[in-house]
Amino acid sequence: QVQLVQSGSELKKPGASVKVSCKASGYTFTSYPIHWVRQAPGQGLEWMGWIDTNTGNPTYAQDFTGRFLFFLDTSVSTAYLQITSLKAEDTAMYYCAKNRWVGGWFDPWGQGTLVTVSS
Amino acid sequence: QSALTQPASVSGSPGQSITFSCTGTTSDIGTYNYVSWYQQHPGKAPKLVIYDVSYRPSGVSDRFSGSKSGNTASLTISGLQAEDEANYYCSSYTTTTTLVFGGGTRLTVL
Repeated sequence: QVQLVQSGSELKKPGASVKVSCKASGYTFTSYPIHWVRQAPGQGLEWMGWIDTNTGNPTYAQDFTGRFLFFLDTSVSTAYLQITSLKAEDTAMYYCAKNRWVGGWFDPWGQGTLVTVSS
Repeated sequence: QSALTQPASVSGSPGQSITFSCTGTTSDIGTYNYVSWYQQHPGKAPKLVIYDVSYRPSGVSDRFSGSKSGNTASLTISGLQAEDEANYYCSSYTTTTTLVFGGGTRLTVL
């Protein structure tokens, strides 16, 4: 079945970097874009942007430019989210999700990766 | 792009029907039929329940239905059950080729 499996929780200090992985299975990875969504503790969903898995071209939402990076390793059907210069406010659950195109629906979602930034 | 507007909470009794609203603008819901709805139980990943305004994915109960009028989309759950208690989020494609979520509605089954 179509599935996205994310890497485990991370605890990082302010200023450090983190890389979250999202491994796809059950479909042709390069046929559908991967989107990233953030959910701060007790808050709603925020769309971070997406990556074209065919070309590797990323698109970032306005609030996620600069310190956020989307990239791929198509040889292992995996998408990555890297966040640099971590701040306490980056503490959140990060989800990857498969989409049919840039503006369609998200299905399925990864199980989420909790990133905690604390000194 | 501002978030879509959803009521913070709604409640209903088992067996009742309940409708969630999701209000956008002519830059998103009013222009496109690319509205989707997600159910999220505490500690779980969101799950798609409606896509393209009114289509139900395979495996989702037919108690879930969606519609749209103007700039407002709606999700209706009929025959409310205890397992429906969750947070519900709407999402829409926008004219700036981005996606936007609503703030979410907490459903309480009394």
